[in-house]
Amino acid sequence: EAQVTQNPRYLITVTGKKLTVTCSQNMNHEYMSWYRQDPGLGLRQIYYSMNVEVTDKGDVPEGYKVSRKEKRNFPLILESPSPNQTSLYFCASSLKPPSALVPYGYTFGSGTRLTVV
Amino acid sequence: EDKVVQSPLSLVVHEGDTVTLNCSYEVTNFRSLLWYKQEKKAPTFLFMLTSSGIEKKSGRLSSILDKKELFSILNITATQTGDSAVYLCAVGGAGGTSYGKLTFGQGTILTVHP
Repeated sequence: EAQVTQNPRYLITVTGKKLTVTCSQNMNHEYMSWYRQDPGLGLRQIYYSMNVEVTDKGDVPEGYKVSRKEKRNFPLILESPSPNQTSLYFCASSLKPPSALVPYGYTFGSGTRLTVV
Repeated sequence: EDKVVQSPLSLVVHEGDTVTLNCSYEVTNFRSLLWYKQEKKAPTFLFMLTSSGIEKKSGRLSSILDKKELFSILNITATQTGDSAVYLCAVGGAGGTSYGKLTFGQGTILTVHP
């Protein structure tokens, strides 16, 4: 089944303890992206990747890192999490980036609800 | 900075009503506008619009884009309780700093009562 898999689904952690949220897709998609969703703010893009070893900042990259060493994986790293990073995180992927008119949109993972205390 | 604004933020209707959701945008090098439906999990794709005046339809849902006035509407006719969800609008850019970015609006929360 074609899908985007995020892990973990839920995570409660303490301030300052490094964590990684994994994202993997099995559709050979070039484009992958991370979003955070907060009440009243919609989905905000954190980082995106056009292909292996090609990543760039979205609108809210502060406090996050990403890497794209393999096409299928795009982990999100929080080196020193803070309470303001408590949010619902989504990973998404697509065959091509938004500029390429992908007619079927983007496939989203099931989300990771992160709480930083 | 790219901006996408949806209205209303929240809407409560009864089954059978028709609703219109709005999405306006200010995006450098506009390429496409997408609508998503989000229930208690990940957003699911509804439509992608790229050309003005061409309506996209899927069952009771339809959407149209106006590139001159920079907005789109999503219509849902004969609403059902299963239409209750957050509806998200997103806009993709086509160059410069917008090349890889997909900017979302805040979403419209639609509640359909039986």
